[in-house]
Amino acid sequence: DAKTTQPPSMDCAEGRAANLPCNHSTISGNEYVYWYRQIHSQGPQYIIHGLKNNETNEMASLIITEDRKSSTLILPHATLRDTAVYYCIARDLNQAGTALIFGKGTTLSVSS
Amino acid sequence: EAGVTQSPTHLIKTRGQQVTLRCSPISGHTSVYWYQQALGLGLQFLLWYDEGEERNRGNFPPRFSGRQFPNYSSELNVNALELEDSALYLCASSLEGTPNEKLFFGSGTQLSVL
Repeated sequence: DAKTTQPPSMDCAEGRAANLPCNHSTISGNEYVYWYRQIHSQGPQYIIHGLKNNETNEMASLIITEDRKSSTLILPHATLRDTAVYYCIARDLNQAGTALIFGKGTTLSVSS
Repeated sequence: EAGVTQSPTHLIKTRGQQVTLRCSPISGHTSVYWYQQALGLGLQFLLWYDEGEERNRGNFPPRFSGRQFPNYSSELNVNALELEDSALYLCASSLEGTPNEKLFFGSGTQLSVL
């Protein structure tokens, strides 16, 4: 799976949009971009994933650049409960037999 | 629908002892994954079981082992506990274990080794 790079930490005011960047400049055509988050002392939670097109669900939006070298996770109206570590992972569909590997992620702090 | 359940939630052991952690996946899920998260560190992949067989193993010594039962539940065993084994152990399940599958995590077992 391609290496991803994320800022170690970000701050966001409650009610504002949180835009979390992820760089994956070596991503291949078979690799999806996945986002998970981990709230303190809990197991990670799946948020969203995408290949080429932008994706949106009830939790967030995922914007992938046209060259697929980077992406942004958008939490449209951040709340205090969105304070967590956010992990961006590039996942190769051809890597059968390999497990999901988490990096260090971005610690998002939402404050009132 | 019940999520991934892990037991116990907390455990205290002394160095040299053995421990068994348990995980029940979401109903219908056949793949179970184990991860270790030591304090201040990221999630480290331990083991992956699918359909009762070990599919992949992370960079951990052999004293970390496990198995998956016919009902797809799983156990993680750690022998000869060391102080650095103190960590949150997380179990996750997925539907088929394919690379595109979403993982669903339990709340973990917090193991303290004294």
